[in-house]
Amino acid sequence: KAGVTQTPRYLIKTRGQQVTLSCSPISGHRSVSWYQQTPGQGLQFLFEYFSETQRNKGNFPGRFSGRQFSNSRSEMNVSTLELGDSALYLCASSSGQNFDGYTFGSGTRLTVV
Amino acid sequence: AQSVTQLDSQVPVFEEAPVELRCNYSSSVSVYLFWYVQYPNQGLQLLLKYLSGSTLVKGINGFEAEFNKSQTSFHLRKPSVHISDTAEYFCAVSDLKAAGNKLTFGGGTRVLVKP
Repeated sequence: KAGVTQTPRYLIKTRGQQVTLSCSPISGHRSVSWYQQTPGQGLQFLFEYFSETQRNKGNFPGRFSGRQFSNSRSEMNVSTLELGDSALYLCASSSGQNFDGYTFGSGTRLTVV
Repeated sequence: AQSVTQLDSQVPVFEEAPVELRCNYSSSVSVYLFWYVQYPNQGLQLLLKYLSGSTLVKGINGFEAEFNKSQTSFHLRKPSVHISDTAEYFCAVSDLKAAGNKLTFGGGTRVLVKP
């Protein structure tokens, strides 16, 4: 069974640009969540998508957005990048029913210069 | 809102010695509890979870944790560590009354196993 796949693994972007990260969940999983990990703030919840609908949202500005497709794949977008957006972005999937934890991807390391 | 406190940011330990990583959470409402491990430049891997039942939970790689509802704690232990256990460990809680799937994580504990 394939795990959670995140692409790309590494990205370098310039301040002011936008970026799109992709996540393919485990087959059969309908819930995809995104987390931002930084040394200063730790692991912070961005949002969760279930059956193409955002079901839960963290406390991030509107520059951070996401979507989920009918095959459960998800993308997150960050517009007008700031230096502080440099982080490891982790995607996690779960079945979506009777939550008993996530399976995480390896993450996308975003560096904003 | 839930919060999770991992009392030690770093724990140095010698190989083959025991280790305990402490975790406390804020809410007394029904929760699920998790421990994850993160190796450098990787995502998080589930070590173990408490959903219900026995308060002593056994996980992978010889780890175990004990759920203590009265003390709102979920400490992780391993009786004998290996060099390969060097990693960062995260405690997390899921509030069963909250909508959707969401984990609140502690700040992490870096374990450095010394030969």
